[in-house]
Amino acid sequence: DGGITQSPKYLFRKEGQNVTLSCEQNLNHDAMYWYRQDPGQGLRLIYYSQIVNDFQKGDIAEGYSVSREKKESFPLTVTSAQKNPTAFYLCASSIPRGGRETQYFGPGTRLLVL
Amino acid sequence: EDKVVQSPLSLVVHEGDTVTLNCSYEVTNFRSLLWYKQEKKAPTFLFMLTSSGIEKKSGRLSSILDKKELSSILNITATQTGDSAIYLCAVVLGDSGYALNFGKGTSLLVTP
Repeated sequence: DGGITQSPKYLFRKEGQNVTLSCEQNLNHDAMYWYRQDPGQGLRLIYYSQIVNDFQKGDIAEGYSVSREKKESFPLTVTSAQKNPTAFYLCASSIPRGGRETQYFGPGTRLLVL
Repeated sequence: EDKVVQSPLSLVVHEGDTVTLNCSYEVTNFRSLLWYKQEKKAPTFLFMLTSSGIEKKSGRLSSILDKKELSSILNITATQTGDSAIYLCAVVLGDSGYALNFGKGTSLLVTP
């Protein structure tokens, strides 16, 4: 049963705490992406990775960090430097096709600040 | 500034109506335009458009790209309550690893 999984579904962060959101895919996709969605807004790109051990900042990378040690995994850490972390976080993956690929999304993680 | 602009931002229609959602973009290095449907969770893929003037169709939904006008429309005919969702338009650029640049979405509510 192929797909993208994200965990947890809901995550609560205390002030000053770092939290890590998991994203795993078994689609054998090379490229993976993290987006953030705020109410009434479209998705905004946080980080992306086109290949293992390589990743690039997106439009709103400040306060976030990622790693890509395995092809199937692309975890996102929300650090204490991210002052407004409450949002819906979506992970996506695709097979690179020069801009003509379809990105498939995981079910998302809702992050709330206590 | 916004690279992808969707209109209207919200829309309420009655079941059976036909709706047209708009997406305009102002980008260089355009590669493709995608439409997604989002129902309170992850966006699900609807269409990818790369060539101007070629309509993509799936059941009651259809979409077309106009590269000259830098825009796309998504049509839904004979709407049903199950069509209620946020419809997202995204443009793929030739940079940022071909990441998606999203508009803010159109929130569609179909009433019985």
